[in-house]
This record gives sequence, structure tokens and C-alpha cells, in this order.
Amino acid sequence: NAGVTQTPKFRILKIGQSMTLQCTQDMNHNYMYWYRQDPGMGLKLIYYSVGAGITDKGEVPNGYNVSRSTTEDFPLRLELAAPSQTSVYFCASSLGWGNQPQHFGDGTRLSIL
Amino acid sequence: DAKTTQPPSMDCAEGRAANLPCNHSTISGNEYVYWYRQIHSQGPQYIIHGLKNNETNEMASLIITEDRKSSTLILPHATLRDTAVYYCILWGTGNQFYFGTGTSLTVIP
Repeated sequence: NAGVTQTPKFRILKIGQSMTLQCTQDMNHNYMYWYRQDPGMGLKLIYYSVGAGITDKGEVPNGYNVSRSTTEDFPLRLELAAPSQTSVYFCASSLGWGNQPQHFGDGTRLSIL
Repeated sequence: DAKTTQPPSMDCAEGRAANLPCNHSTISGNEYVYWYRQIHSQGPQYIIHGLKNNETNEMASLIITEDRKSSTLILPHATLRDTAVYYCILWGTGNQFYFGTGTSLTVIP
């Protein structure tokens, strides 16, 4: 049972480039989330999804886009990479909202130079 | 807003119980208390959660006060591998999952 899988693990981008961070889960969870974590800080919610076709903004959505076409996958898109988006990105999923724990992937470490 | 208050750092001797406090005086009736930990920059690891009653699993125990305004995570026999940042998080139907800055626990040999 793989849980939540994120790819790539590391990536260096140039300013202005775009990329997609992949996240897939094999637990049949309806709820999925994207967080970012800056050095020495807690995680901040970027976007979340309550099911296929439904997404909503979190605390820090600017500069990102998401889609959810299947239950398993929840990709995060950076359109015009900026140095402020250098961070570690975590994807998570849960069976329920509030009463079931979120399970996290190992993260994608992204540097924008 | 974090809605929880944790001490920034704590030390614990190896083999002793680690008791990590969390204050959440404005907790809502439908909010669960969750505890996670993060080792280095790995993904947060779920430890335990509860609503009203005390909870115990293979990793830890969670003690929630009767008025639910505070809680304590107990690691019964701390090991060096328990050195991590521990987050206390409130999560219910009306709010998002919010990480504060947590407590950095150092287990000392």
C-alpha cells in the first residue's frame, strides 16, 4: 500500500518556467490537499479538493492552479515560477473532513532560481 | 489563526515520558484535536486524534481536559527517534487544517 505518492522529489526551475507537481493516492480518499512549507515554518494550505471535479482555495493559492479529474490524482500547477515559490510542497489525502486524519506524502523540494 | 498555543521547544531524557502541552481555549464543539510530528523535512506523520475522550494507540496517548480547552500528548518512553517538531491542530467541519509552528522536542541521551 503506497499511500500518497509525490513526484518529483526534487526540482530546480528557472524564473518564469512552469511545471506540474504530481500527487496520487491509492486509498480511495475523497479529500486531497496541497501544502507548502517554507524554512522554519509550519505548513500552509494552498488548495484542496473534496472530490473529483471539485477544488477550492486554501490560505495561499496565488500563483498556483489545481485540477481533480480522478479520485486518485491531484496535480498542482505552477504557471510562472517566482523565487517566492521556492519551498517544500506536500500533498495529503483523507477519508473524511475533520473526523479522519490526513495522510501526507514525502514532499517535493522545489527551488526557483 | 492557529487557535492553538504550544511551547516552542522542550527537552526530554531518553526513556522518560515526554508530555507535550497544547492550549486551545477557543475550540469549537465539532473540532477534533489532532497531533502530528515532522522529522527533519519529511512529510508530517499522524500520531493520534480525539474529540472529548482520552485516546491511546501504539505511538502515544492523548489527554483532553474535561472543558476541552487544553490537551497533552504523551510519548510514554521517548527514544532518540522521537526528536521532531510536534504539531497540535484543531480540525472540524467548519475550518481548514492549520499548522502552527509546533513544539520542537529534543530527546537527550
